[in-house]
Formats: sequence, structure tokens, C-alpha cells
Amino acid sequence: NAGVTQTPKFRILKIGQSMTLQCAQDMNHNYMYWYRQDPGMGLKLIYYSVGAGITDKGEVPNGYNVSRSTTEDFPLRLELAAPSQTSVYFCASSYFREYEQYFGPGTRLTVT
Amino acid sequence: DAKTTQPNSMESNEEEPVHLPCNHSTISGTDYIHWYRQLPSQGPEYVIHGLTSNVNNRMASLAIAEDRKSSTLILHRATLRDAAVYYCITFNNDMRFGAGTRLTVKP
Repeated sequence: NAGVTQTPKFRILKIGQSMTLQCAQDMNHNYMYWYRQDPGMGLKLIYYSVGAGITDKGEVPNGYNVSRSTTEDFPLRLELAAPSQTSVYFCASSYFREYEQYFGPGTRLTVT
Repeated sequence: DAKTTQPNSMESNEEEPVHLPCNHSTISGTDYIHWYRQLPSQGPEYVIHGLTSNVNNRMASLAIAEDRKSSTLILHRATLRDAAVYYCITFNNDMRFGAGTRLTVKP
């Protein structure tokens, strides 16, 4: 099992550009999550999904969109990138909500 | 979700036990207590979780106070690879990560 994979590992965006961060899991987990981590801080939940076709906002959803068309994939879309979105983005998955979450290696995004 | 309070940093010597404390005085009866750790430049890694009873697994032990207002993560023999930021999270609807405790392990 590859677990949770994320692409790309690094990306530099100009202000106003858009991009999609990819996340995939091969553990047949129902729940998937997107977090961001700013330097020296803990993680903050952006969006989560309880299954294909169902998504909901987390703590910091503004500026982001998600979709979940399959169990395996949960892409995160940034529209009109802003410097405040410079962060490390982690995708995670779990079988049930209260079970342990498995995290991907992260995508380091810089917006200049 | 209940707020958690952890020391900013702790130090330990290699091969000695480490007790990482966490206060969660506003925890509700159905909130699980989760611990994760994050090694440098990596995503968080699950360590252990529990609800009321103490829990053991291959990585660590979790001691939960009888009133559930605090818990302690116990690493029985710290190694250099245990140096990480440890997050205590009380989990009901979603996980809210605080700043965690940065554990330094000295050889």
C-alpha cells in the first residue's frame, strides 16, 4: 500500500494564479481531510469529506475548494492564490471519523 | 472541541522514559483523546488514542486521569528518533491541533 500520496511536493505560484493539489489514498478510507500548517504552528483543517460526493468546510475554508468524485481522490483547488496561502498542505485519511488519521508527506506551497 | 494545553518543549535523555503531559479541562464525555507526533519535514503520525481507560500500543502508553481532564503520553525508552513535536488533541467532530510539545532527546 502506498498509503496517502500527494503531488506536487513543492510549488511556487504567483499571486492570482490557480492550482490543484492532488491527494490519493489506497486504503479504502471513507474520510479524507485537507490541512494547512503555517511555520511553527499546528495544523488547521481546511475541508473534509465523509465519502464520495460529500464534502464539508473545516476551520479555514476561505480561498479553497474541494471535490470528491471517488473514494480514492480528494483534490484541493486554490483559486486566485494569495501570499496568505503560503503554507505546507497535508492531506489525510481515516476509516471512521474518530479513528486514527494517516497523513501524506505534504505539499510546500509558496505564493509570491 | 475541548482546548488542550501542553508545555512548549521538553527534554529527555536517550533510553530514559518520557512523560508528556496534556491538560484538557473542558473535555466532554464523548471526546476521544488522540496523540500524534510530527518529525521534522514530515506529516503528522498517529501515536495512540483513548477514551477513558489507559491504553498501550507498540509505540507508547496513554494514561488518562480519572476525571479525564488531563492525560499523559508515556514513551518508555526514548530514542533519538522520538525527537518530534507531539500533539495532544481531544477529538469529537474534528481534530484541532495546537502548537504541541517539542521533544528533544539527548544522546
